Amino acid sequence: GQNIDQPTEMTATEGAIVQINCTYQTSGFNGLFWYQQHAGEAPTFLSYNVLDGLEEKGRFSSFLSRSKGYSYLLLKELQMKDSASYLCAVRAITGGGNKLTFGTGTQLKVEL
Amino acid sequence: NAGVTQTPKFRVLKTGQSMTLLCAQDMNHEYMYWYRQDPGMGLRLIHYSVGEGTTAKGEVPDGYNVSRLKKQNFLLGLESAAPSQTSVYFCASSYLGGETQYFGPGTRLLVL
Repeated sequence: GQNIDQPTEMTATEGAIVQINCTYQTSGFNGLFWYQQHAGEAPTFLSYNVLDGLEEKGRFSSFLSRSKGYSYLLLKELQMKDSASYLCAVRAITGGGNKLTFGTGTQLKVEL
Repeated sequence: NAGVTQTPKFRVLKTGQSMTLLCAQDMNHEYMYWYRQDPGMGLRLIHYSVGEGTTAKGEVPDGYNVSRLKKQNFLLGLESAAPSQTSVYFCASSYLGGETQYFGPGTRLLVL
């Protein structure tokens, strides 16, 4: 099976930097996704890591360490619109092919 | 392109009633998924399809049935709704298994 852990809630200040961590335990690991979900809306894709290291995409960056079963999403120059839930999702190879399992999400609140 | 659309957006059912949720995608994706999202539980996979005419069970399939008669449509049926099925239902699609999933706007279902 898979186990994915993320903090439930985080609060940060507009203009600051925040790091949202995700740890996972799984067999057949084959990639990690980050999604953003605003209240009452659908999840939208943010980033994907399959190799160790940092992937940068504008104000958002995502890091992966396969050996440690660890990823983080880094949000820079926080804006009020970044207030949302951030979902970590782990892809693993199973007998039935690739399987994606979502964490419960981290609710980020950006304050003035 | 509309992406992934879901019908209806909101529905109230009485216990024992049946209903069908419709998901449509115009991205020519092979894979389609149905998730439910409950507070503190994250996204949980109900059923999925790897292509037209195929379906498979996910993590929480009991009480639901699905059909994929056309590549662009994926239907989720509740034969006899129960209060435990009160949830937000998201449909998603991806070109291949394990690739980035694109989500519909969700259907909010309340079972009384």
